[in-house]
Amino acid sequence: QSVLTQPPSVSAAPGQKVAISCSGATSNIGSNYVFWYQQFPGIAPKLLIYDTNKRPSGIPDRFSGSKSGTSATLGISGLQTGDEAVYYCTSWDTSLSGVFGGGTKLTVL
Amino acid sequence: QVQLVQSGSDLKKPGASVKVSCKASGYTFTKYGMNWVRQAPGQGPEWMGWIDTNTGNPTYAQGFRGRFVFSLDTSASTTYLQISRLKPEDTAVYYCAREGVALPQYYYYMDVWGNGATVTVSS
Repeated sequence: QSVLTQPPSVSAAPGQKVAISCSGATSNIGSNYVFWYQQFPGIAPKLLIYDTNKRPSGIPDRFSGSKSGTSATLGISGLQTGDEAVYYCTSWDTSLSGVFGGGTKLTVL
Repeated sequence: QVQLVQSGSDLKKPGASVKVSCKASGYTFTKYGMNWVRQAPGQGPEWMGWIDTNTGNPTYAQGFRGRFVFSLDTSASTTYLQISRLKPEDTAVYYCAREGVALPQYYYYMDVWGNGATVTVSS
């Protein structure tokens, strides 16, 4: 069972916007940055968002991150079929360990 | 460009050992730490710990102390993960992931990942 809680799946139509939630605790999300990764089947995770709301170079501004209290959200706008993947949130925990969510599978209908 | 290339798949029997490699290129190896992450079939990633590539000092997450060892060969810009006394539940893809902030700081920021090494433990 993952320390961070994500919905198992979300779906939306092409061109629409979707929000993926990630719920944690004061010991992780509540006091540290959040990172988001995108993973396609059989491929390593790819960094999408770092420091809660920053995008590495090359990541389109359709992807955004935010945080409120002990929850974080990944937003994806202008959905494309190529966005179909599993998305993971992760954060550092004050117990001196990284913690991940269980992942959210995005389906673009 | 920054690249991490890992060793291929391994099939091992319970009780055996395995050593997975992660060769870095495109940057100064000893300037950035290396994380290790396990992903069991159909599961989310799990942080195993990291190694300071400048000092060789490893840090293990709870649950990965005892049978798991991180090591280095700085002359080859390579990090290793050795797992001893393998169990079927060790079956997973093991990723190395570069720490994105330069040493000596540790930030838990995995910016570039290796291609993954699959370890299957079965009798």
